[in-house]
Amino acid sequence: AQTVTQSQPEMSVQEAETVTLSCTYDTSESNYYLFWYKQPPSRQMILVIRQEAYKQQNATENRFSVNFQKAAKSFSLKISDSQLGDTAMYFCAFMKHSGGNDMRFGAGTRLTVKP
Amino acid sequence: DVKVTQSSRYLVKRTGEKVFLECVQDMDHENMFWYRQDPGLGLRLIYFSYDVKMKEKGDIPEGYSVSREKKERFSLILESASTNQTSMYLCATLPGQSYEQYFGPGTRLTVT
Repeated sequence: AQTVTQSQPEMSVQEAETVTLSCTYDTSESNYYLFWYKQPPSRQMILVIRQEAYKQQNATENRFSVNFQKAAKSFSLKISDSQLGDTAMYFCAFMKHSGGNDMRFGAGTRLTVKP
Repeated sequence: DVKVTQSSRYLVKRTGEKVFLECVQDMDHENMFWYRQDPGLGLRLIYFSYDVKMKEKGDIPEGYSVSREKKERFSLILESASTNQTSMYLCATLPGQSYEQYFGPGTRLTVT
């Protein structure tokens, strides 16, 4: 079974600074997807960024980037130039490439961006 | 634009009541999911469905059942609500051959 661990229940960062959220996972699969989802207060969960395990290049979406270390089973999210709108719960998630559509989520990290 | 709606944002029920949570999507996605979200535990999968009338148990199906009579609608049923089912319930959809799940706004259920 796959497990996803987020060891930082809460984090805070000053506006315009950079913050990194950690995620580790455990799997015996060789091909899979990793995701970061964002859940703003009282709003719907949305996808921030995804990474295919077979790709060596780290994914980037504007101010969001990941550091994917396959051998270490680590998948951290870096948010640059933090904005007040980045305040949210962030969930790391894992999904096998085949053989099932269910996703495994971490416990989440509550990020607060301070003005 | 992708749209997943859930029947209620907030719901208060009494112990022992039968509770229906409904999720509706307008995107013709094959797969639909029900999760519950609890602090410190993240999202845990209750049930999912990959087609009409098809269902699969997730990690925590006990005390729940589901129904999918039409492609766009996936219902979660609490046969006899208990206080330990007080939680946030999230519905999600996933197109076939894809990887991005789309979430509804959630239903915060309180069982007293």
